[in-house]
Amino acid sequence: GENVEQHPSTLSVQEGDSAVIKCTYSDSASNYFPWYKQELGKRPQLIIDIRSNVGEKKDQRIAVTLNKTAKHFSLHITETQPEDSAVYFCAAPRSGTTGNQFYFGTGTSLTVIP
Amino acid sequence: DTEVTQTPKHLVMGMTNKKSLKCEQHMGHRAMYWYKQKAKKPPELMFVYSYEKLSINESVPSRFSPECPNSSLLNLHLHALQPEDSALYLCASSQGYAGGTPTDTQYFGPGTRLTVL
Repeated sequence: GENVEQHPSTLSVQEGDSAVIKCTYSDSASNYFPWYKQELGKRPQLIIDIRSNVGEKKDQRIAVTLNKTAKHFSLHITETQPEDSAVYFCAAPRSGTTGNQFYFGTGTSLTVIP
Repeated sequence: DTEVTQTPKHLVMGMTNKKSLKCEQHMGHRAMYWYKQKAKKPPELMFVYSYEKLSINESVPSRFSPECPNSSLLNLHLHALQPEDSALYLCASSQGYAGGTPTDTQYFGPGTRLTVL
């Protein structure tokens, strides 16, 4: 089965610095990798995703990179702001399934210090 | 409308009560999901409905009973729950697909925070 490892579990950065969160997956057939941000008491919200036909995708201060050979993908947040503080989850699809099922990483609690 | 809605927002119930959680989406999505999320943990998949049919049951105890009355609605019926079932219950939806490796984005509702006394 698919495992998704996510690191680090907690991350503190100064406002304005960059934050990087990395996930590793095991199934080479996986082809879609979303990232979710979950603020305290709120729903997970998709912030960016990447499909396996590209190596990088950017959306303003957020970017995701994918290394298919090494089977890892990373979330990059530049010029961090206090409102970026949240728990971030990566996900990768489960292989051999008949429905949309994802393995979620264990989450990274990001704190941006003003 | 790009939202998934859930009611109620909060629910407190006793172990002998029967209650239902409701989820609705009007995005034309044909796949809907129930997840359970404990504090500081990732969402855990419970059920998947694809084209209004239950396609996945992740070995969930029978005290949780899902229902999909139509393509826009998803219910979760609760009966004889245990205190350890207290959690945030999230509904999600995605476009749905015919087969193969899933690539659809899942959109989550705000969740129902359930407390079992």
